[in-house]
Amino acid sequence: DVKVTQSSRYLVKRTGEKVFLECVQDMDHENMFWYRQDPGLGLRLIYFSYDVKMKEKGDIPEGYSVSREKKERFSLILESASTNQTSMYLCASRYGRVVSSDNSPLHFGNGTRLTVT
Amino acid sequence: AQTVTQSQPEMSVQEAETVTLSCTYDTSENNYYLFWYKQPPSRQMILVIRQEAYKQQNATENRFSVNFQKAAKSFSLKISDSQLGDTAMYFCAFSDRGYNTDKLIFGTGTRLQVFP
Repeated sequence: DVKVTQSSRYLVKRTGEKVFLECVQDMDHENMFWYRQDPGLGLRLIYFSYDVKMKEKGDIPEGYSVSREKKERFSLILESASTNQTSMYLCASRYGRVVSSDNSPLHFGNGTRLTVT
Repeated sequence: AQTVTQSQPEMSVQEAETVTLSCTYDTSENNYYLFWYKQPPSRQMILVIRQEAYKQQNATENRFSVNFQKAAKSFSLKISDSQLGDTAMYFCAFSDRGYNTDKLIFGTGTRLQVFP
């Protein structure tokens, strides 16, 4: 089974701190994604990456950056955390370049609930 | 821009009954994929079912089936013989088939509660 591991289940940070959210997948997937989940807004894509050192902005990239130095690891960085970044963050990975080929569903981690005070 | 709308924030159903969750979407594309994902209290998002737009036959997976109406841009999920373990948030999602389009667009979700 594919495993997508997010390093923290819960995280509390102060305004202005630099925050790293880590995500590791163990199935050699090319594609990795960071989503943010908020009540009433569903999941919104922050950034995604389809290869090492490659990154693409999603729908809400402002205030975030990402790093993909190794294929299995995709980090989300909040350069200066703000209270409006309090949210649930979900990492996902997928094999292959075409999003919906039959053999490549999206696999999610268990999420990191971040609170910025 | 593509959008996905789930108009039912919350639904409830009694165990063993059938429930239908609604989803509509907007796109100018002709070829695309639609998905239903389930997020139980454990927070692990799980793919429930997927539908390819060029396939006219509605997808089914055991107790889960969809009613795909392409002209109406509607993609509802029917859960038959509901079980307590079906209690979860359900998200409808859309993706087109562009080569460099690797992202899913999600709806706002429907919280389903199954009662004994």
